[in-house]
Amino acid sequence: NAGVMQNPRHLVRRRGQEARLRCSPMKGHSHVYWYRQLPEEGLKFMVYLQKENIIDESGMPKERFSAEFPKEGPSILRIQQVVRGDSAAYFCASSPGTGGGVGNQPQHFGDGTRLSIL
Amino acid sequence: AQSVTQLGSHVSVSEGALVLLRCNYSSSVPPYLFWYVQYPNQGLQLLLKYTSAATLVKGINGFEAEFKKSETSFHLTKPSAHMSDAAEYFCAVSSAAGNKLTFGGGTRVLVKP
Repeated sequence: NAGVMQNPRHLVRRRGQEARLRCSPMKGHSHVYWYRQLPEEGLKFMVYLQKENIIDESGMPKERFSAEFPKEGPSILRIQQVVRGDSAAYFCASSPGTGGGVGNQPQHFGDGTRLSIL
Repeated sequence: AQSVTQLGSHVSVSEGALVLLRCNYSSSVPPYLFWYVQYPNQGLQLLLKYTSAATLVKGINGFEAEFKKSETSFHLTKPSAHMSDAAEYFCAVSSAAGNKLTFGGGTRVLVKP
């Protein structure tokens, strides 16, 4: 019974390159959330997606960041023209998405992608 | 808007001693509250959640937390620390119908033998 799968676990990019982070939700889950954890800080919400829809992107930086959750395949968090400040751990979580909000359906987290910018 | 404050970014306890991690929240609507644990290089694992059923909530690994509305607190305790409890602990809040979690800054627990 696989959990939330994120890949790669570690990603190194040079400034100006693009970073693509992938997340496959738990089986049966149709809601995906992305969070960012900066060093020595807690997790900060970035975006909430359902299949083919962005529901809430209030935590996404206005530029260079985008997310998608296509009908087929994993959710992708894309960071264009990365800068040193993008270095962080990026976590994906998923939930079933039926029967109410997060109180009734706790989010299940993947092990994260550690992004390092040289 | 919701927010969470965890007092103490680092806590050191002796093996067998009480673990007490403090969490205070602010929320304009009745909150749902969570404690998560994060082991090194891993994701977050749910310890317990408060969803308005009972104010004292029991979780996994012997942890429990008590919701106190008057103090806007949701402190996490464990009577007797074990070496395997060394990890980082996060308190989080959401509204009942909300779909995003707001996290505190985390408390790193060190257990001394």
